[in-house]
Amino acid sequence: DQQVKQNSPSLSVQEGRISILNCDYTNSMFDYFLWYKKYPAEGPTFLISISSIKDKNEDGRFTVFLNKSAKHLSLHIVPSQPGDSAVYFCAASNYGGATNKLIFGTGTLLAVQP
Amino acid sequence: DTAVSQTPKYLVTQMGNDKSIKCEQNLGHDTMYWYKQDSKKFLKIMFSYNNKELIINETVPNRFSPKSPDKAHLNLHINSLELGDSAVYFCASSNFLGNEQFFGPGTRLTVL
Repeated sequence: DQQVKQNSPSLSVQEGRISILNCDYTNSMFDYFLWYKKYPAEGPTFLISISSIKDKNEDGRFTVFLNKSAKHLSLHIVPSQPGDSAVYFCAASNYGGATNKLIFGTGTLLAVQP
Repeated sequence: DTAVSQTPKYLVTQMGNDKSIKCEQNLGHDTMYWYKQDSKKFLKIMFSYNNKELIINETVPNRFSPKSPDKAHLNLHINSLELGDSAVYFCASSNFLGNEQFFGPGTRLTVL
């Protein structure tokens, strides 16, 4: 039972253009969402997060949008740079729950072409 | 360097053996985790410890036994290794109820 889904296994974008990575979830109890970035042979690194009380959070070139009614979130990267090429994982949790468990999607491989 | 570190980075072993993976964090966090990333790239939580106390145990076979000697360390011991245990194992840490978990570089375990 996959509660967090990233339906696009890969995405290719030209340098300077916008990258949009999508994530869907099924559990309405999730109230905190995160994006992680992962380079090969390294651990995931935290990128940006959003609480369910917001619909947008921005940090530099990265913006996360949350649509609670659609149970959908997206990560926008503008402008995309070759160094952004990595696997991006969406994760969700029930913030403040006793277990603080992150549920991850399967990741989207982003390739930014110079 | 403030970080989450794991040893070894690669581990190749035979079926039936017992092995351990060590994890240490110097971020001052009080909660540590073990995740498994399988061949399908699913990253799934296995265990979580808060101040040396087990908080999460996600129906992992009891051949897997985490040990937390102090809140900066969470080791993973695996008995009677099976082919299906081959995966990348990630350690992570956070503040308790802190959603932003910091991950180690991973340990690639290959069971032959």
